[in-house]
Amino acid sequence: NAGVTQTPKFQVLKTGQSMTLQCAQDMNHNSMYWYRQDPGMGLRLIYYSASEGTTDKGEVPNGYNVSRLNKREFSLRLESAAPSQTSVYFCASSGKLPVNTGELFFGEGSRLTVL
Amino acid sequence: GENVEQHPSTLSVQEGDSAVIKCTYSDSASNYFPWYKQELGKGPQLIIDIRSNVGEKKDQRIAVTLNKTAKHFSLHITETQPEDSAVYFCAASMTSGPSNTGKLIFGQGTTLQVKP
Repeated sequence: NAGVTQTPKFQVLKTGQSMTLQCAQDMNHNSMYWYRQDPGMGLRLIYYSASEGTTDKGEVPNGYNVSRLNKREFSLRLESAAPSQTSVYFCASSGKLPVNTGELFFGEGSRLTVL
Repeated sequence: GENVEQHPSTLSVQEGDSAVIKCTYSDSASNYFPWYKQELGKGPQLIIDIRSNVGEKKDQRIAVTLNKTAKHFSLHITETQPEDSAVYFCAASMTSGPSNTGKLIFGQGTTLQVKP
């Protein structure tokens, strides 16, 4: 039981390049989330998917796109990376039926540097 | 939307002392208030949570209090130990009703250092 798995763990990009962060969970959770963590800013929600087939913007969605590929997988895409997107990205999941306790389970993070 | 403010940003205590971290939230509809601990190089993990129908919850050395009228909640760690050193995040969300998405809005984080 791996929980939430993110790939890659580290990535360096040049400004304007594109990349996709992958996330998969094996807990049969309904909801999945992408957060970014920056010093002094805490964890900010980029996008979330409350259930398979739906996605919604969070607090800081500009410059990102997401795909809920199936119940297990939720990817985050940077179409044209900018230095302001240098951050640590965390994927999380929640909502195991029949009761959603509200607890989020996080992956170990993906450190992205945009030069 | 919800906004969560957390203070202090850093906190240094001697081993055995108590530590208190405070958070305020803006949306009176929020009804779920968890606390997460993040160790170096890891993702955050839930350590304790409280729902709006109770004012206090305790789990061994950690406790959380909630004041819904004032819209603030606090984390209390007693008898601190070096392994308590980490970054702590508070969060708020609404976990019932038609707008229930389970999404958490986090505070800015507190770096706790426990000196041996």
